[in-house]
Amino acid sequence: DVKVTQSSRYLVKRTGEKVFLECVQDMDHENMFWYRQDPGLGLRLIYFSYDVKMKEKGDIPEGYSVSREKKERFSLILESASTNQTSMYLCASSLATRLSNQPQHFGDGTRLSIL
Amino acid sequence: AQKVTQAQTEISVVEKEDVTLDCVYETRDTTYYLFWYKQPPSGELVFLIRRNSFDEQNEISGRYSWNFQKSTSSFNFTITASQVVDSAVYFCALEEERGSTLGRLYFGRGTQLTVWP
Repeated sequence: DVKVTQSSRYLVKRTGEKVFLECVQDMDHENMFWYRQDPGLGLRLIYFSYDVKMKEKGDIPEGYSVSREKKERFSLILESASTNQTSMYLCASSLATRLSNQPQHFGDGTRLSIL
Repeated sequence: AQKVTQAQTEISVVEKEDVTLDCVYETRDTTYYLFWYKQPPSGELVFLIRRNSFDEQNEISGRYSWNFQKSTSSFNFTITASQVVDSAVYFCALEEERGSTLGRLYFGRGTQLTVWP
């Protein structure tokens, strides 16, 4: 079974802090994704990556950056946390096959509160 | 514009009732994939099903069934004889063929299903 592990289930940080959310997958997947989930808005894509050191912006990249130094790890960085970044953050991974019929596999999520 | 629309924000049913969750999608691609995910109160998204655009055959898996209709761009999900454990948020998602963004999913906003005992 694919395992996507997010470093924290719950995290509380202060405004202005630099925040790192870590995600590790154990199935050698090429693709990795970061979403945020807010009530009534569903899942919105922040950033994704198709390979090591490669990243692409999703729909809401402002205020975030990412790092993919190793294939299995994809980090989301809040450069200077703000209260409007309080949310549930979900990491996912998938195989990079053309017309993928492989689903994205999700971690358990990190509920981040910015005070 | 939303590529995936789940018009039902919340649905409440009583146990043993049948319930259908609607999903309408929009794409210009001729080849694409559709997905349903379940998110129980614990938070993790659980993959339920994927269908490709060339296969309009309906699918049944136990109490779950899916009705894919290209003519109406819909991929509806029915739970028969619902149970309390079916209570969750259900997401419909679309993966398109185009460009370099293979593997990217577009999610609907989700439908919160509550099944009362």
